[in-house]
Amino acid sequence: GAGVSQSPSNKVTEKGKDVELRCDPISGHTALYWYRQRLGQGLEFLIYFQGNSAPDKSGLPSDRFSAERTGESVSTLTIQRTQQEDSAVYLCASSLGSHRSFGSGTRLTVV
Amino acid sequence: GQQLNQSPQSMFIQEGEDVSMNCTSSSIFNTWLWYKQEPGEGPVLLIALYKAGELTSNGRLTAQFGITRKDSFLNISASIPSDVGIYFCAGTTLYGGSQGNLIFGKGTKLSVKP
Repeated sequence: GAGVSQSPSNKVTEKGKDVELRCDPISGHTALYWYRQRLGQGLEFLIYFQGNSAPDKSGLPSDRFSAERTGESVSTLTIQRTQQEDSAVYLCASSLGSHRSFGSGTRLTVV
Repeated sequence: GQQLNQSPQSMFIQEGEDVSMNCTSSSIFNTWLWYKQEPGEGPVLLIALYKAGELTSNGRLTAQFGITRKDSFLNISASIPSDVGIYFCAGTTLYGGSQGNLIFGKGTKLSVKP
């Protein structure tokens, strides 16, 4: 597709369950980023993938969060044992150079 | 850690008014970016600034990279209803902004005056 695609667009899950969020970056973009956006807040950096380099995981808030990326394609963000504080919009972005394009996000609600 | 203070948090606009918002950082940045986010969408890049003192326009939008490298402002001239949304500043100590450590402000929400 032409833009960054994220799925699902909305996810409601019960506290304690695991969730997997998916990001399809723009074809050819070597860099991929995950951000968390709480209601009324700015974007909080989670993790950054660049080509085959080791990912920058410095923004992951706890060991319940993990992400994988296969080559320069799809990435999945996994949150284990979800907590209510995990409720937020999770945004994915990709870039080839300095300008990153964002997806529409996955709105996660933990009940 | 690095902090970005963005102000105002929210503002109401009347069509035709000029709008101004700014960001200040606790440390020197080498790249400043301004994004706009509409409901249900991801942020879209409006203007990128790479050099201290740089003044860049994109249509009715003008942004400047402060001389001290610790601030940036965004002006919108002659606002129109479709300007409503949340505007975010973002900065990084690295050149270009392609790396992960891009720090975002909390946003300025633009709404239409009732």
